[in-house]
Amino acid sequence: NAGVMQNPRHLVRRRGQEARLRCSPMKGHSHVYWYRQLPEEGLKFMVYLQKENIIDESGMPKERFSAEFPKEGPSILRIQQVVRGDSAAYFCASSPDRVSGANVLTFGAGSRLTVL
Amino acid sequence: AQSVTQLGSHVSVSEGALVLLRCNYSSSVPPYLFWYVQYPNQGLQLLLKYTTGATLVKGINGFEAEFKKSETSFHLTKPSAHMSDAAEYFCAVKEQGGSEKLVFGKGTKLTVNP
Repeated sequence: NAGVMQNPRHLVRRRGQEARLRCSPMKGHSHVYWYRQLPEEGLKFMVYLQKENIIDESGMPKERFSAEFPKEGPSILRIQQVVRGDSAAYFCASSPDRVSGANVLTFGAGSRLTVL
Repeated sequence: AQSVTQLGSHVSVSEGALVLLRCNYSSSVPPYLFWYVQYPNQGLQLLLKYTTGATLVKGINGFEAEFKKSETSFHLTKPSAHMSDAAEYFCAVKEQGGSEKLVFGKGTKLTVNP
């Protein structure tokens, strides 16, 4: 059972370009979460999705960022017109259901975005 | 609103010494509490969790943590540090029945000296 798969692991973009980060949850997991880790900071929640639905996007910047989790295929975090401040590690996590005593998040290895 | 404070961004111990990583949380309702470990250039791996019941929780790699409601703490300990324990450790909180987001502390980087 492959874990949470994220790609690309490393992505370099110039200012103004678009970045697309992909996340395939663990088999059987229908809940996906995106977190961002800035240097010397902990992880900050961005968005929580279920298949075809955005459940909580309270951590997403208002502009340039979007996320989706289609019926088929991986979840995508899209950053348009990247700026240097977007340079960070972006982690995806998945769970089979809501986080509870029984269900915890399983994290992927992250995608590290560098904006030149 | 929930928050997590990890005292000490860097902790250094000798191999074989006690490891103590501190975590205090704030939550208006009973929390779920977690410790995750992150090795360089890797994702987060769950060490242990507190949900309900026994307040002393044992995790992987010999780590344990104790939930102390009166102190709003969830400190992580290991009796004897090993070189392989060198990593960054994150404490996280989630409100039971609340939103799905985990709130993380800023992390503590553990160095183990030979």
